[in-house]
Amino acid sequence: KAGVTQTPRYLIKTRGQQVTLSCSPISGHRSVSWYQQTPGQGLQFLFEYFSETQRNKGNFPGRFSGRQFSNSRSEMNVSTLELGDSALYLCASSPFGGTSNQPQHFGDGTRLSIL
Amino acid sequence: AQKITQTQPGMFVQEKEAVTLDCTYDTSDQSYGLFWYKQPSSGEMIFLIYQGSYDEQNATEGRYSLNFQKARKSANLVISASQLGDSAMYFCAMREGAGGGSQGNLIFGKGTKLSVKP
Repeated sequence: KAGVTQTPRYLIKTRGQQVTLSCSPISGHRSVSWYQQTPGQGLQFLFEYFSETQRNKGNFPGRFSGRQFSNSRSEMNVSTLELGDSALYLCASSPFGGTSNQPQHFGDGTRLSIL
Repeated sequence: AQKITQTQPGMFVQEKEAVTLDCTYDTSDQSYGLFWYKQPSSGEMIFLIYQGSYDEQNATEGRYSLNFQKARKSANLVISASQLGDSAMYFCAMREGAGGGSQGNLIFGKGTKLSVKP
């Protein structure tokens, strides 16, 4: 069974640009969550999508947005990039996402660098 | 206040020895789940072990076991017979408000960097 696939693996952008990251969950998983990981703040929750609806959202500005498609694939968009957006962005999937005993399975991440 | 506290930024262990990574948590929910993940330098997060708040037995998965002390709100990870490949960052995480229909995301600690010495 294929794992969570994130593309691209690495990305370099400049301030003010926008970027779109992609995540394909494990087959059959309907919940997709996004996390930002930085050395200073650690792992922080961005948002969760389930059945094409945003179900949960972390404390990030509106520049960070996402969506989920009918095949459960998800994209995350960051507009007007800032230097502080440089981070590893991790996507995680689980079958339903809500119940406590389901681990989230993570992809390898997209490492975004802002110049 | 931090929900998940990992007090050991870095740990060293000799190959083949056991090591305990500490994790304490803070929640007012009665139903919650606790997870440990391993993150090698490549960046992927690998799920290791899960403990539910209502589980009476400590969870075990191969060389990993979770020392769950509910009254103390601690969920320490024990790795037995350490291997060189165990060198990585280890994160403790919690999902609150568990149960059917909950929308809990994972809350992570800052992590512990484990280095296994040959």
